[in-house]
Amino acid sequence: DTGVSQDPRHKITKRGQNVTFRCDPISEHNRLYWYRQTLGQGPEFLTYFQNEAQLEKSRLLSDRFSAERPKGSFSTLEIQRTEQGDSAMYLCASSFPGQWDNEQFFGPGTRLTVL
Amino acid sequence: AQKITQTQPGMFVQEKEAVTLDCTYDTSDPSYGLFWYKQPSSGEMIFLIYQGSYDQQNATEGRYSLNFQKARKSANLVISASQLGDSAMYFCAMREGGDYGQNFVFGPGTRLSVLP
Repeated sequence: DTGVSQDPRHKITKRGQNVTFRCDPISEHNRLYWYRQTLGQGPEFLTYFQNEAQLEKSRLLSDRFSAERPKGSFSTLEIQRTEQGDSAMYLCASSFPGQWDNEQFFGPGTRLTVL
Repeated sequence: AQKITQTQPGMFVQEKEAVTLDCTYDTSDPSYGLFWYKQPSSGEMIFLIYQGSYDQQNATEGRYSLNFQKARKSANLVISASQLGDSAMYFCAMREGGDYGQNFVFGPGTRLSVLP
């Protein structure tokens, strides 16, 4: 399968714990995005990488959230000191410039539940 | 203020009929892109169609077409000949921030139910 993959698919954690999610984009895609989606809402943009550089970050993103893409391939999203309000689906997407002005291919998401 | 507004939380359409899903947007950027995505119950977001702010013609992709009215800042999705498999959430999204901006904003979505 050559689509975007995310791991884990589900994560249950206790409030105050740290969690880390991984995203593997489509191999030739140099752009990678993280989104958060809560029930009944559209995805909310979190951050964007072009290769290994983090070029955009939502102003709404708490400093408890950090993302990396060290070699311009896979990316990780870490949430420190989780809160119940962090419970959501975390979506990763990748794209390649020039296709449909940045058509994004989404992964299946990681569903986080904070108890 | 909401950047993307989808005023129809839910829509019903009879199989084989056409349906229009509304989307209005708000931006001051002269260059932007508009997208529609489908999210079935399985959860994965599926790209449907794209319209650039400078495109003169409305985008079409198979049974999907985008009714782009720039002056009114609307980008409605038209699905022709609805199929049962079209039942899903539909999200309108905008890329703004100029020609190289990568800030995407999604609307709240419209749930479409296709009736047999």
